[in-house]
Amino acid sequence: DVKVTQSSRYLVKRTGEKVFLECVQDMDHENMFWYRQDPGLGLRLIYFSYDVKMKEKGDIPEGYSVSREKKERFSLILESASTNQTSMYLCASSYPAAHNEQYFGPGTRLTVT
Amino acid sequence: SQKIEQNSEALNIQEGKTATLTCNYTNYSPAYLQWYRQDPGRGPVFLLLIRENEKEKRKERLKVTFDTTLKQSLFHITASQPADSATYLCALIYNQGGKLIFGQGTELSVKP
Repeated sequence: DVKVTQSSRYLVKRTGEKVFLECVQDMDHENMFWYRQDPGLGLRLIYFSYDVKMKEKGDIPEGYSVSREKKERFSLILESASTNQTSMYLCASSYPAAHNEQYFGPGTRLTVT
Repeated sequence: SQKIEQNSEALNIQEGKTATLTCNYTNYSPAYLQWYRQDPGRGPVFLLLIRENEKEKRKERLKVTFDTTLKQSLFHITASQPADSATYLCALIYNQGGKLIFGQGTELSVKP
């Protein structure tokens, strides 16, 4: 079974802190994605990566950066957390073909106070 | 920009009935459309994929249709059960490396 794990289920941080969210997949997937999910807005793509050391901006990259040093690991970084980044963060991975299903992690509920 | 709309109101149905969820999109047609299920506090789980040249796809009690003229996909669950209660998300894919555009989801509640 494909497994996508995220470092924390719940996280509480203060405004201005640097926050790291880690995602690891065990299926040797080339593609990895970071989304945020907010009520009424659905899932919105923050960043994605097609390969190691490669990254592409999604629809809402402002205030975020990513790192992919190893194929199985994709990190999301909030450089200076703000209250409007309070959200559910979901990581996903997939094989490279356009139609391939994405496998999601359980999510990290981040609260910025 | 591309917009996707799903029923924003929750859908409540009786056990044994068929649930029908709608996904409408604007502008150009996607190459593929996927449906996911999401339970509270969990990540979405893939259910079905339908291609733009397919009209209908079935998997057990699930059926998806794709009408590129109406720019609409319908997702049906026949003989619904309380265990089918969840939020269902549609996602569009254009031929650009697997990037998905998600709808906001429709919450389904199946009452015994």
